[in-house]
Amino acid sequence: EPEVTQTPSHQVTQMGQEVILRCVPISNHLYFYWYRQILGQKVEFLVSFYNNEISEKSEIFDDQFSVERPDGSNFTLKIRSTKLEDSAMYFCASSDSLETQYFGPGTRLLVL
Amino acid sequence: SQQGEEDPQALSIQEGENATMNCSYKTSINNLQWYRQNSGRGLVHLILIRSNEREKHSGRLRVTLDTSKKSSSLLITASRAADTASYFCATDRTGANSKLTFGKGITLSVRP
Repeated sequence: EPEVTQTPSHQVTQMGQEVILRCVPISNHLYFYWYRQILGQKVEFLVSFYNNEISEKSEIFDDQFSVERPDGSNFTLKIRSTKLEDSAMYFCASSDSLETQYFGPGTRLLVL
Repeated sequence: SQQGEEDPQALSIQEGENATMNCSYKTSINNLQWYRQNSGRGLVHLILIRSNEREKHSGRLRVTLDTSKKSSSLLITASRAADTASYFCATDRTGANSKLTFGKGITLSVRP
């Protein structure tokens, strides 16, 4: 069964460093998303992406964040200058027109 | 309370018993989805119910939706130890390419 994959599974970085989180959505899906979950808290929407542009973004998704679909398969989330409060589990999701969003296993980011 | 609030927050039952989890939301929705998350892992999609549906079944899962009360319930019948996980409801307002708004989740423990 097709699934969303994410790399790396864990990332430790120093505050102020740039990180890139990678996702490979399900191949025939058209809609892509990033969410995050701070430890012990609810899953929060960051951004949605369709047709090579951002469809919607949350207040969390400020100028430090960017997304890109550099080729036909990858979907990336970049955090330009990480803060301690960026430590969280980051989930990528994708969907087709049938609306169910399928999530990847997540990348656990720890900012020191 | 916020969109997608589940109750109870924690539920402990014996293997073989049924588990009922509830979710309430505030705004109008297009779909409501239930997800499962094993500790520290990704989100697994369980079932989607549309706003014009009242009940849906999938294996041991039964989901109901009452749009007049803005609530949904997830019933897991004949629970197993492997059902131990956190369960989240998530709503979207406009369908495809719409962000999901998650509740805080319910922690279900099934004792063998």
